[in-house]
Amino acid sequence: RKEVEQDPGPFNVPEGATVAFNCTYSNSASQSFFWYRQDCRKEPKLLMSVYSSGNEDGRFTAQLNRASQYISLLIRDSKLSDSATYLCVVTVSGGYNKLIFGAGTRLAVHP
Amino acid sequence: GAVVSQHPSRVICKSGTSVKIECRSLDFQATTMFWYRQFPKQSLMLMATSNEGSKATYEQGVEKDKFLINHASLTLSTLTVTSAHPEDSSFYICSARATSGPPGTQYFGPGTRLLVL
Repeated sequence: RKEVEQDPGPFNVPEGATVAFNCTYSNSASQSFFWYRQDCRKEPKLLMSVYSSGNEDGRFTAQLNRASQYISLLIRDSKLSDSATYLCVVTVSGGYNKLIFGAGTRLAVHP
Repeated sequence: GAVVSQHPSRVICKSGTSVKIECRSLDFQATTMFWYRQFPKQSLMLMATSNEGSKATYEQGVEKDKFLINHASLTLSTLTVTSAHPEDSSFYICSARATSGPPGTQYFGPGTRLLVL
């Protein structure tokens, strides 16, 4: 079983739509949680951290359910520029806070 | 924000040659740097953790004699792919961990695309 699992998509949505991505992780000792964004043939970039209380950054809302080991990302009012692959990332305890990446969910926003 | 550079951005080489990739933190000191590999449509896989002045820690299944890592200063880590073969063709990305900020915050380099013929 993969440590971090995501639906690969693609999610094809029109501009203005609301879209939600889900992610599950297998290690109950995971400590920190993030969503990264990766554009085609580029490095990943941090989109937002995810906190247990849920957090929002503009059109983006992230939720964490530790009991279910489940993370979500909601994007409202999708823009063309939101088209990318969204990576769910967790850190595990010990050592150097290694990042464990999911394979990503691809989003394509069309006019 | 923190900037990490990688050089070269892409390289094409013949099978059997060695390739060195540099990762630099430009405006901060990084005691820890990470090397990842990403094959098409797959997730980033951590290859090794590089600490300044000490030996790198390799992930299971990564050959330390094939992927040589040197972290000689607080701003530079290098990855050398020795005797590269076509199956080593991949996107290699480094990241540097800042000493401040939330745990797990890493700044990524732009990546190096390696093609071995």
